[in-house]
Amino acid sequence: QGQLVQSGPEMKKPGASVKVSCKASDFTFINTVINWVRQSPGQGLEWMGWITGYNGNTNYADNVHDRVTMTTDTSTATAYMELRSLRSDDTAVYFCVTAYYYDNTAHSHYFDRWGQGTLVTVSS
Amino acid sequence: DIQMTQSPSSLSASVGDRVTITCRASQNIRNFLNWYQQKPGKAPHLLIYGASTLQSGVPSRFTGSGSGTEFILTISSLQPEDFATYYCQQSYGVTFGGGTKVEI
Repeated sequence: QGQLVQSGPEMKKPGASVKVSCKASDFTFINTVINWVRQSPGQGLEWMGWITGYNGNTNYADNVHDRVTMTTDTSTATAYMELRSLRSDDTAVYFCVTAYYYDNTAHSHYFDRWGQGTLVTVSS
Repeated sequence: DIQMTQSPSSLSASVGDRVTITCRASQNIRNFLNWYQQKPGKAPHLLIYGASTLQSGVPSRFTGSGSGTEFILTISSLQPEDFATYYCQQSYGVTFGGGTKVEI
């Protein structure tokens, strides 16, 4: 089945950057698409973007595209999400999650394997 | 961007009740709609994909229906372990609904 294990909680000041890691195990990393989803305290889920394990292609959500960079290291089967110019409203639990394609179209996918989440707190 | 609107945002129910949650898309997303359950402190868990296909291992009391812009998640007989927050998610692009908290 495989799993995703994320890095530990972070506390940052406004204006700083944070880099969260997501290590894959027991599945073929290069065949996956890793998405990042965040959840502010007591709030809903917000998709941030995806990166392909195969060639590192990315697609970012409009509301973070100018502050986020997603990368992968295939040698360690690890994905990274860096968010810059942090603000208090970036305080959230950040999840990495793989997308499973159940049909032969780009839209036929769902999120299956989730990391445990990484709490990022932004406070002065 | 496609907006997803869930209703209600919360509901109170009892064990054994039939519960329905609605999700509306701002444009036609065909059947590219998934449903997740989330419990406090945990990652979401897939229930339904492709609007109506039950994920393996999910109890049959959960059913999904709809296509185009209106979708429904039904829990036929609410069980104690079903008290949680439910999210719809469109995979035409990727956005989530605001969530529906099911409380006792």
